[in-house]
Amino acid sequence: GQNIDQPTEMTATEGAIVQINCTYQTSGFNGLFWYQQHAGEAPTFLSYNVLDGLEEKGRFSSFLSRSKGYSYLLLKELQMKDSASYLCAVRRTGANNLFFGTGTRLTVIP
Amino acid sequence: DADVTQTPRNRITKTGKRIMLECSQTKGHDRMYWYRQDPGLGLRLIYYSFDVKDINKGEISDGYSVSRQAQAKFSLSLESAIPNQTALYFCATSAPGLAGAGYNEQFFGPGTRLTVL
Repeated sequence: GQNIDQPTEMTATEGAIVQINCTYQTSGFNGLFWYQQHAGEAPTFLSYNVLDGLEEKGRFSSFLSRSKGYSYLLLKELQMKDSASYLCAVRRTGANNLFFGTGTRLTVIP
Repeated sequence: DADVTQTPRNRITKTGKRIMLECSQTKGHDRMYWYRQDPGLGLRLIYYSFDVKDINKGEISDGYSVSRQAQAKFSLSLESAIPNQTALYFCATSAPGLAGAGYNEQFFGPGTRLTVL
């Protein structure tokens, strides 16, 4: 099985930096995904990590430590439009579907 | 035009009714998925299909069935709807992982909000 844990809610200020953590326990690991989901809308892909380290993509970066079962999503220069839920999802070895955490709802305030 | 479409977008039905949710995609992907999303529980996989002849149960398949009519179409049925099937349902698609990358980003449809009274 797998357990994926994320904080339920976070609040941050426009222009600031926020880090959203995700810890996981899984029987076999084959990649970690971050998705963004605005209220009432479909999730959209943000990032993918399968090796340890940091992946940077514009204002968003994602980090993975496989030995610690830990990932974070870093959002820089926060904008109001970044208010959304951020979903961490893990893929297991031998499986092709994803297992999602419950998501972190981020609110960006002026 | 949307690459992954779902119909209907909203549906209210009564307990015991049969209902079908439909998903179509123009991305040319072989793999299709059905998820439900409930507050506090996140996205949970109901069924998935890797091609027309391949159907697999996900975490929570009880009370649901699916049909892969064509590469582009994947339908989810509730044979006898019950109130705890009230949820937001998402269809998703993905291509096989790129060689050497194992990457299979999933693309989600806009969702169907189902209410069972």
